[in-house]
Amino acid sequence: QVHLVQSGAEVKKPGTSVRVSCKGSGYTFTGYYIHWVRQAPGQGLEWMGWINPNTGGTKYGQKFQDRVTMTRDTSINTVYMELSRLMSDDTAVYYCAREAVPADTYYDPWGQGTLVVVSS
Amino acid sequence: DFVMTQSPDSLAVSLGERATINCKSSQSVLYSSNNKNYLAWYQQKPGQPPKLLIYWASTRESGVPDRFSGSGSGTDFTLTISSLQAEDVAVYFCQQYYTTPTFGQGTKLEI
Repeated sequence: QVHLVQSGAEVKKPGTSVRVSCKGSGYTFTGYYIHWVRQAPGQGLEWMGWINPNTGGTKYGQKFQDRVTMTRDTSINTVYMELSRLMSDDTAVYYCAREAVPADTYYDPWGQGTLVVVSS
Repeated sequence: DFVMTQSPDSLAVSLGERATINCKSSQSVLYSSNNKNYLAWYQQKPGQPPKLLIYWASTRESGVPDRFSGSGSGTDFTLTISSLQAEDVAVYFCQQYYTTPTFGQGTKLEI
């Protein structure tokens, strides 16, 4: 069965960085792009970008272009999302999500989510 | 960016009754070369990640009950639950994937 398992919750100070991991299992890890989507408390879903686990290629949303870095380690089937210069409104649940079918950008499955709280 | 607007923001429906959620895109998500609408629907229950229900606007994901159906084309789409069950209480999101993905604001469905 296909699973994405994310790292645990984080509490960070404003101005610092956070790195969230997402480990895939049950499928060919390099065969599917992984996207990152965040959800602020009580809010909707916001796309952040994707990484191609095969090549390491990335595409970031314009809003996050200068603060986000997505990387991967194929030896352990894991992708990472690092967000820098954190602000209070970065407080959100961060999800990784796999393209359900290669090259079609709807998502299944999703990781369980990682809560990131930014507070002084 | 494509702006996705859902209506209503919240909805209360009796058990066994029909629930209808609408999603409107600011631009068409119908790709003419393959005649496919790049529109998906998700269900999110409290404390859980979204779950894929429908893709290509009307194709039901494997394992999703057939009381869930999607329809529409171009800019206007609908998710219908034909006979509401208690376990359908959730927030529902539409998403376009014609271009950089964007989501609707969500519709909260209650009994």
